[in-house]
Amino acid sequence: EAGVTQFPSHSVIEKGQTVTLRCDPISGHDNLYWYRRVMGKEIKFLLHFVKESKQDESGMPNNRFLAERTGGTYSTLKVQPAELEDSGVYFCASSQSGIGYTFGSGTRLTVV
Amino acid sequence: KQEVTQIPAALSVPEGENLVLNCSFTDSAIYNLQWFRQDPGKGLTSLLLIQSSQREQTSGRLNASLDKSSGRSTLYIAASQPGDSATYLCAVRYGGSQGNLIFGKGTKLSVKP
Repeated sequence: EAGVTQFPSHSVIEKGQTVTLRCDPISGHDNLYWYRRVMGKEIKFLLHFVKESKQDESGMPNNRFLAERTGGTYSTLKVQPAELEDSGVYFCASSQSGIGYTFGSGTRLTVV
Repeated sequence: KQEVTQIPAALSVPEGENLVLNCSFTDSAIYNLQWFRQDPGKGLTSLLLIQSSQREQTSGRLNASLDKSSGRSTLYIAASQPGDSATYLCAVRYGGSQGNLIFGKGTKLSVKP
């Protein structure tokens, strides 16, 4: 079974630009999560989709972040406009039952 | 506030040693607890998941214990190998199967040949 796929693996953008991260969950997994780790901090929850619906978006830092999950399949996380403090590693995870998670390799975002 | 703390932040041991990584959490009303491994530049690999009703889980040389009442979990690694070198993360879930994970900062383990 294919795992959770994220791309790009790395992205370097200038402050003020827009970046879109993509996550392809394991096929058939209804639950999709986004997490983020900024330098020196622990990994923190951003939001949770169940199929195409946002179950919990309490971790989204501000309205510069927009997440979508078209048709309940892949998900995108757009940052517009990007700020320096948005730099970090963005992880996606999926789960069928909501019990155990499978994480992707992450996207390392650097805003300069 | 629900927080997860991992001690130590870093650990270096010679090959063959048995070792224990510690995780503590402030709110004992957990749904489950999961230990992950992260290799540099890679994603998180799930090692062991302990439901709130369980006391321990074992997989190969790994054993994770859970003491909800004291808010602690330990990950025991037997006969450590250089390939065990990685960052080990503890994550706690509250609020049932729809809750999100709260992570500790991790323990960076280095096993010297």
